[in-house]
Amino acid sequence: GIQVEQSPPDLILQEGANSTLRCNFSDSVNNLQWFHQNPWGQLINLFYIPSGTKQNGRLSATTVATERYSLLYISSSQTTDSGVYFCAVETYNTDKLIFGTGTRLQVFP
Amino acid sequence: KAGVTQTPRYLIKTRGQQVTLSCSPISGHRSVSWYQQTPGQGLQFLFEYFSETQRNKGNFPGRFSGRQFSNSRSEMNVSTLELGDSALYLCASSLALFYEQYFGPGTRLTVT
Repeated sequence: GIQVEQSPPDLILQEGANSTLRCNFSDSVNNLQWFHQNPWGQLINLFYIPSGTKQNGRLSATTVATERYSLLYISSSQTTDSGVYFCAVETYNTDKLIFGTGTRLQVFP
Repeated sequence: KAGVTQTPRYLIKTRGQQVTLSCSPISGHRSVSWYQQTPGQGLQFLFEYFSETQRNKGNFPGRFSGRQFSNSRSEMNVSTLELGDSALYLCASSLALFYEQYFGPGTRLTVT
């Protein structure tokens, strides 16, 4: 089945720093989503981005489908950005969301 | 528009008991999926329902079952609970297949 790898597994930043999270996947996808899981377990939608580039405030994402990777950029990080970031993909073969193992981000003041 | 709701939010059960979890999708959404999250296994797909039909099922034993009603609300049931079933159970809804999925707050199940 499709493999989804996220890097780095852990990231520690000081407030105001920028960061890039990466998601590699092993097959063509028809759905790719980025989520932020808060300390209470809620998965918050960040981007639905099977291809192309999107921006939402301090966050942006790019998916290069032909090269099978996606990047999530966080600029001017804040302590509220702390949590786990997941990439999840879906293909016509899997017919379900397959999650990566996540990147745990800690932002300190 | 209201988001995905899940009830109950927290549950404590004893080994051998059974449990039913409920999920109400976003209004107009017809697809509901269930996921299990544990520290050791991460987020794993349980099953997906679309228009009251189970379309896909993950690699879980038959003790895990679900259904979807005509109003798109869904329930999942776990029978003969085991300690390893302790997890966060997440429900997601989407407008249709392969569309963006939106998650509920989850039900945290503890089996003692």
